Amino acid sequence: DAGITQSPRHKVTETGTPVTLRCHQTENHRYMYWYRQDPGHGLRLIHYSYGVKDTDKGEVSDGYSVSRSKTEDFLLTLESATSSQTSVYFCAISADSGNTIYFGEGSWLTVV
Amino acid sequence: EDKVVQSPLSLVVHEGDTVTLNCSYEVTNFRSLLWYKQEKKAPTFLFMLTSSGIEKKSGRLSSILDKKELFSILNITATQTGDSAVYLCAVENNNDMRFGAGTRLTVKP
Repeated sequence: DAGITQSPRHKVTETGTPVTLRCHQTENHRYMYWYRQDPGHGLRLIHYSYGVKDTDKGEVSDGYSVSRSKTEDFLLTLESATSSQTSVYFCAISADSGNTIYFGEGSWLTVV
Repeated sequence: EDKVVQSPLSLVVHEGDTVTLNCSYEVTNFRSLLWYKQEKKAPTFLFMLTSSGIEKKSGRLSSILDKKELFSILNITATQTGDSAVYLCAVENNNDMRFGAGTRLTVKP
């Protein structure tokens, strides 16, 4: 299994509070991704990173920000959580664009 | 707009049956199509397809891509209860990867 650790694995938070999810990898892969998975939608890309301090928006980036200060860590921040952001969040990594993507185990976020 | 459509959305079969899962796509600057299996946790990689007509095979699973008709199929022969999962199709173009909604396969004893 690829060395990907997500934290926290489960979180319940209140509407309007900030939330940060962390993804840590031990593979030294260049690319890191944050996806959300919702019924009927499959996995949708939120943001991705192609290097330290290099990030770009994905399909559903509104309401989310990311940071990558080190190769091994990719943070996803919800500045002010909303109920529509209740979802399962998956971090993923790949050695380079076009390479297989490997997923973390997911973070279950509930916004009440 | 780029899209990936999987069918059927769900499927119930009995052990020993053969199933075919479908994935059609409309994506600009196509690079590859990938199949993933998702059980209770994260998706796990099955196949990556980049060329038309070349079958990829792993045990009872096989997959093929048709870049002219823009679809792929995933076949599972002699299904087992352990094959029960959601099967995700994803299409990559440049730095983006679009996923289908998945096909939920249930294999009954």
